[in-house]
Amino acid sequence: EAQVTQNPRYLITVTGKKLTVTCSQNMNHEYMSWYRQDPGLGLRQIYYSMNVEVTDKGDVPEGYKVSRKEKRNFPLILESPSPNQTSLYFCASSPGQGVKTQYFGPGTRLLVL
Amino acid sequence: SQKIEQNSEALNIQEGKTATLTCNYTNYSPAYLQWYRQDPGRGPVFLLLIRENEKEKRKERLKVTFDTTLKQSLFHITASQPADSATYLCALYQGGKLIFGQGTELSVKP
Repeated sequence: EAQVTQNPRYLITVTGKKLTVTCSQNMNHEYMSWYRQDPGLGLRQIYYSMNVEVTDKGDVPEGYKVSRKEKRNFPLILESPSPNQTSLYFCASSPGQGVKTQYFGPGTRLLVL
Repeated sequence: SQKIEQNSEALNIQEGKTATLTCNYTNYSPAYLQWYRQDPGRGPVFLLLIRENEKEKRKERLKVTFDTTLKQSLFHITASQPADSATYLCALYQGGKLIFGQGTELSVKP
């Protein structure tokens, strides 16, 4: 089944404890992206990647890192999480290097205490 | 400043009626616009894409219009059903990115 998977789906952590949210797609898509969704603010893009080894900042990149070493994986790294990073996170992928139809993962709900 | 606006108030309609959702934008010149459906706690799901040179696009009970002069897209669901209840997001493509509106919650009552 063609899909985008994210792990973990739910995570509670404490301020400053490094964490990684994994994202994987099995559709051979070039484009991948991370979003966060907050009430009243909608979906905001954190980082995106047009292809392997190519990443770029979205609208809210502060406090996040990404890497794209393989086409299928695009992990999101929070080196030192803070409470304002409590949010619902979505990974998405899209065929081609330009973003067209995006296929979203199921989401990761993160709570930083 | 650049802005995408969707009705922030929930839209409540009766089953069988046509639901119309609005997406307005300012200071963007998108090559295309998309509509997504999002159910609570789940990722958005793509519904329709309309390009800047297209006035209207249809898919089953869904219809999207795109007026680049008015800077507005309308999303219609005809013969609405309770299963259509969800939040609907519009998204503009510009500068290599998709920029999302906040979404409009639709509730279809039986």
